[in-house]
Amino acid sequence: AQSVTQLDSQVPVFEEAPVELRCNYSSSVSVYLFWYVQYPNQGLQLLLKYLSGSTLVKGINGFEAEFNKSQTSFHLRKPSVHISDTAEYFCAVSGGYNKLIFGAGTRLAVHP
Amino acid sequence: EPEVTQTPSHQVTQMGQEVILRCVPISNHLYFYWYRQILGQKVEFLVSFYNNEISEKSEIFDDQFSVERPDGSNFTLKIRSTKLEDSAMYFCASSVQGRENEQFFGPGTRLTVL
Repeated sequence: AQSVTQLDSQVPVFEEAPVELRCNYSSSVSVYLFWYVQYPNQGLQLLLKYLSGSTLVKGINGFEAEFNKSQTSFHLRKPSVHISDTAEYFCAVSGGYNKLIFGAGTRLAVHP
Repeated sequence: EPEVTQTPSHQVTQMGQEVILRCVPISNHLYFYWYRQILGQKVEFLVSFYNNEISEKSEIFDDQFSVERPDGSNFTLKIRSTKLEDSAMYFCASSVQGRENEQFFGPGTRLTVL
């Protein structure tokens, strides 16, 4: 069975500081990994995805993530955050028949 | 840019009533999904649908739930007899053949069962 653990439920950070949101997964088969963002009262927007190839994946809004197979991690990073990055971030792994299995989410709060 | 749409945005119903949540997936997508998110909790998979049949369903998707693609554009989730614990945000998603894992989500329908 596949599962996702997001290690931080909340991450406070000051504007223009770097941020890392941590995600670990478990899977017995090849994985596809995703980060989604949910702004307040909105749906889920795909930030980036790892399907194969380069382990460093770049996404929208300046975010990137690195797939680390040996550590079963897929941490999300941004070198300089903005107030507008305040949102809930979900890591997900693709399970059987393409269903997505989500982590519990990390609330990123960017302060001025 | 094409997007998944859902109606209504908010549905309030009495316990025991039937509700139908509607979704219009992106037009060339062939795989369809429903997920739900109970307030403050993680997003949970409910069901996937391809070629007019259910591909996979979760334990949550019991006999009270059903899905249908009644025409070429809509994809619906029906809850036959709602319970208080069905209150949640329901998200529809779709994906294109060959890139099934890249799912595009709608804005969600917030279902409140009183």
